[in-house]
Amino acid sequence: SALTQPASVSGSLGQSITISCTGTSSDLGTYNLVSWYQRHPGKAPKLIIYEGNKRPSGISNRFSGSKPDNTASLTISGLQAEDEADYFCCSYAGRNTVVFGGGTKLTVL
Amino acid sequence: EVQLVESGGGLVQPGRSLRLSCAASGFTFDDYAMHWVRQVPGKGLEWVSGLSWNGGSIGYADSVKGRFTVSRDNAKNFMYLEMNSLRAEDTALYYCAKDVSVGWYAGSLDMWGQGTMVTVSS
Repeated sequence: SALTQPASVSGSLGQSITISCTGTSSDLGTYNLVSWYQRHPGKAPKLIIYEGNKRPSGISNRFSGSKPDNTASLTISGLQAEDEADYFCCSYAGRNTVVFGGGTKLTVL
Repeated sequence: EVQLVESGGGLVQPGRSLRLSCAASGFTFDDYAMHWVRQVPGKGLEWVSGLSWNGGSIGYADSVKGRFTVSRDNAKNFMYLEMNSLRAEDTALYYCAKDVSVGWYAGSLDMWGQGTMVTVSS
């Protein structure tokens, strides 16, 4: 089943926000293979965090990831207007499957 | 420039088949795992399938297992998704995506195509 994310979060310019991604002992609780994606309307998703806390080349260090136990978190610091987007977590779920979270809409106030 | 271009989408009747293709360029194709991910317009993402650099390891979402078959041709830099027994709930935009690694388990998709739309309807 899909990982659980809050439907929406909001934050003001310059502030920090955290998006949670809750799984089970079968996925996040067992594997540290979490990735996070940013999706702007009409665009393909963009990888911003992989393998828990690694950033691809070109991704701002304002984005960071962590994974204590069954919950993974994406933190965005120093919010900027262009951070307004949908965010999805993703993890290996065992049994030869990968699963995405339901997505979180970030609104920058 | 790294590029992934999907093709093969279209309107198909329930129960029929469709084959999607993904043409890769700009990188060493057989150094990386590849994936198919789908998105119902306006909705979330659903991982469909992944396969390792040589196709030796493959995974499928439970929702498509037994109906969809993924494959790759490293000589031609192509990946395919054979979709059989299509259902209305398979209607979505299908993305081809490249992994950062040779294996697909981490689901670290660093490059995406623009997608090809599949509509299953009578």
